[in-house]
Amino acid sequence: NAGVTQTPKFQVLKTGQSMTLQCAQDMNHEYMSWYRQDPGMGLRLIHYSVGAGITDQGEVPNGYNVSRSTTEDFPLRLLSAAPSQTSVYFCASSYSFVSPYEQYFGPGTRLTVT
Amino acid sequence: GQQLNQSPQSMFIQEGEDVSMNCTSSSIFNTWLWYKQDPGEGPVLLIALYKAGELTSNGRLTAQFGITRKDSFLNISASIPSDVGIYFCAGLDRGSTLGRLYFGRGTQLTVWP
Repeated sequence: NAGVTQTPKFQVLKTGQSMTLQCAQDMNHEYMSWYRQDPGMGLRLIHYSVGAGITDQGEVPNGYNVSRSTTEDFPLRLLSAAPSQTSVYFCASSYSFVSPYEQYFGPGTRLTVT
Repeated sequence: GQQLNQSPQSMFIQEGEDVSMNCTSSSIFNTWLWYKQDPGEGPVLLIALYKAGELTSNGRLTAQFGITRKDSFLNISASIPSDVGIYFCAGLDRGSTLGRLYFGRGTQLTVWP
């Protein structure tokens, strides 16, 4: 049982490039989400999904796309990277979005956009 | 969005001392959570609180859900070097269509041996 896995661990992009951050979980969790963490800012919700085929925007969705074709995977796409997207990205999952709300976080992807 | 104010921003303490940190919100939450993040890792859930007034312990950690449902605090007793890390509070907004978790900005804890 690997829990929540994220790839890559580090990535450097040039402005305007696109890429996909991968997230997978093997716990059969319904709820998956993406957060970004900036220094002194805590974690902010980008997008989330309550099941395959269902996604919705979080607090800071601009510049990011998501899709959920399977229960296990929830990739985050940056269509045209900008320096403001330099951050650490965390994927999380939980069995359900109702109480108890125990979210399991992946190890993170550290992204730098130059 | 919801605003969570977490304090203090950082703490420098000696091993063996007790630690207190708190989190306040401008609105009501139905669930309060406390996470710890080690360097280079994702946050790990420490304690979850589901009812106003609830007091819950996890080893040396004790957390309380404020009666007004707008605040929560976390205490760590007899701190040890492995307590070093960033502690985050988070509130669950059940009022939205789908529950959404909001995080405080974190308390950076440093423990001197």
